[in-house]
Amino acid sequence: EAQVTQNPRYLITVTGKKLTVTCSQNMNHEYMSWYRQDPGLGLRQIYYSMNVEVTDKGDVPEGYKVSRKEKRNFPLILESPSPNQTSLYFCASSLLAGGPNEQYFGPGTRLTVT
Amino acid sequence: EDQVTQSPEALRLQEGESSSLNCSYTVSGLRGLFWYRQDPGKGPEFLFTLYSAGEEKEKERLKATLTKKESFLHITAPKPEDSATYLCAVPLQGGNQFYFGTGTSLTVIP
Repeated sequence: EAQVTQNPRYLITVTGKKLTVTCSQNMNHEYMSWYRQDPGLGLRQIYYSMNVEVTDKGDVPEGYKVSRKEKRNFPLILESPSPNQTSLYFCASSLLAGGPNEQYFGPGTRLTVT
Repeated sequence: EDQVTQSPEALRLQEGESSSLNCSYTVSGLRGLFWYRQDPGKGPEFLFTLYSAGEEKEKERLKATLTKKESFLHITAPKPEDSATYLCAVPLQGGNQFYFGTGTSLTVIP
């Protein structure tokens, strides 16, 4: 089944404790992206990757890191999480970069930072 | 400034009562406009892509239209299973960065 998977689905952590949220797609998509979704603010793009080893900042990159060492994986790293990073996070992928291609979203990771 | 605005924020309809959702945008050099559906606790699911003014696309009870400044998602004779949040999104220049609207939460009452 073609899909985007994220792990973990739920995470409660404390301020400053480094964490990684994994994202994997099995559709051989070039483009991958991370979003956060907050009430009243909608989906905001954190980082995106056009292909392996090519990443760029989205609208809200502060406090996050990403890497794209393999085509299928795009982990999101929070080096020192803070309470304002409590949010619902979505990973997405699309076939190609640089064009109007629809994105396929993962099921989401609900992160709480205390 | 590039912006995407959706209205209304929330909409309650009786089953069978048709209506429209609006997505207005101020992005230069539009490279497509996307509509997604999002059910509670799930990731957005792709519905439509519109590329140019005047274009229309349909899927079951949904029809999306596009003008130079806005897009409409028309829902004809909705059913309770159409209840969801509907999001629109536009790519910025370059096509790799996306702006999403805050969505319209639709509730269809039996």
